[in-house]
This record gives sequence, structure tokens and C-alpha cells, in this order.
Amino acid sequence: EIVLTQSPGTLSLSPGERATLSCRASQSVSSYLAWYQQKPGQAPRLLIYDASNRATGIPARFSGSGSGTDFTLTISSLEPEDFAVYYCQCRDIWPPIIFGQGTRLDIK
Amino acid sequence: EVRLVESGGDLVQPGGSLRLSCAASGFTFSDYWMTWVRQAPGKGLEWVANIKPDGNEKYHVDSVRGRFAISRDNAKNSLYLQMESLRADDTAVYFCVREPHAGAYYFDYWGQGTLVSVSS
Repeated sequence: EIVLTQSPGTLSLSPGERATLSCRASQSVSSYLAWYQQKPGQAPRLLIYDASNRATGIPARFSGSGSGTDFTLTISSLEPEDFAVYYCQCRDIWPPIIFGQGTRLDIK
Repeated sequence: EVRLVESGGDLVQPGGSLRLSCAASGFTFSDYWMTWVRQAPGKGLEWVANIKPDGNEKYHVDSVRGRFAISRDNAKNSLYLQMESLRADDTAVYFCVREPHAGAYYFDYWGQGTLVSVSS
């Protein structure tokens, strides 16, 4: 079973700063990697799929990169509404869907 | 507008049963794989089960296989999760989610979730 390890666990930044979130897979997932944002009391929202494709309606300040085992979600300039928990997710043989443990992005 | 609205969550005793429902609208429900994802309080996300558009293929995570059953009624645009022999570690918010196309591994639309609490 693939394990997705996200780092850091918590990231404290100020609005306007650049955020870099990491997701490392225990084995290659090619480019089959997605990112979600979750705010308290809300469902996750798809941000990025296939490692680098922004989902519909996602602002350009969100970008994804990587392939194989190392992936990055970058938020170029943090807006107040970006402070949330971020999850990466990939496919596997079984179970077919794996999520990372999440990175909490806090306001500094 | 795509909408997924879950219902049926409740407080139930260990060993009890519950049926979750998800009402879908805004898209052709019968064209899509559908999935249940859960999130224990303060924890991460866990895939629970998914079902093919025609309902003829279903898959469940090992921890719920034999206790939970995913199903759908395309005539009613509804997805279900029948939960039996509930345990404390089944306590979670259960999300109904849509896979955007056959073979997709990610989810483009999520419901708001319904809370299942298993406690005596």
C-alpha cells in the first residue's frame, strides 16, 4: 500500500507570503496526484489533479508540480481565505484511493 | 449546478445499524462512479467504498467489508450506504463524492457530509 507523507504538519505564514507544501509517496504514482483544501466544518475542495492541473474555478495562485514520488503544492501569495488544511491524494491498487495526513496552514 | 446532499447520520449504539443517503442533482447521475469518503473527528480522510454507474461493481475498504454495503438507485438519483454492526471507530463524517469520469482517481464534487456517531 502506498503511503503519502505530507510535510510540514503545520505551516505558519502571513498573508502575502508564499506557501510551499510537500507530499511524498512511498512509491511512484506517476502524475496521479491530487490536492484538496478543507476549511473547518466544510467538505474538501479539489484544487489540483494530475499533479499540476488546476480544477475548475481555482485561482491561479495555486499551482502543483512534481511526478513520481515528490510533489509540491505552491500558493504564490497567501490570501486570508487560504488558511486551511491541505490534503494530497493518489491512486493505488488496493485500497484504490490513498490520502495524505494533511498539512495545516495557519495564520502567523 | 452539481449538488450532493447527504442525510441519515445519527447517534447509534455499538452494534447498531444506519442507512446513509445521498441525493444527487445537477448532473446525469447514472453516468458517474460514486464514492463514500469518511473523516473521523479531527482526523484525515479515508476512502470507504465506491460503485460503478450501473451498480454492478462495488468495492469496499477492508475495515468495513461485510458490514457496510454501497448501493444506488439511478431512477431516484440517489446513493446509499447501509451500515451494520457499527463500531466506535466508524464514528466520522461521511461524504458522498463524485468521480469526474471513469478511471478517475480524484473527486470533483463533495457533499457537505453527514455525521455518524457510534457510542453507548
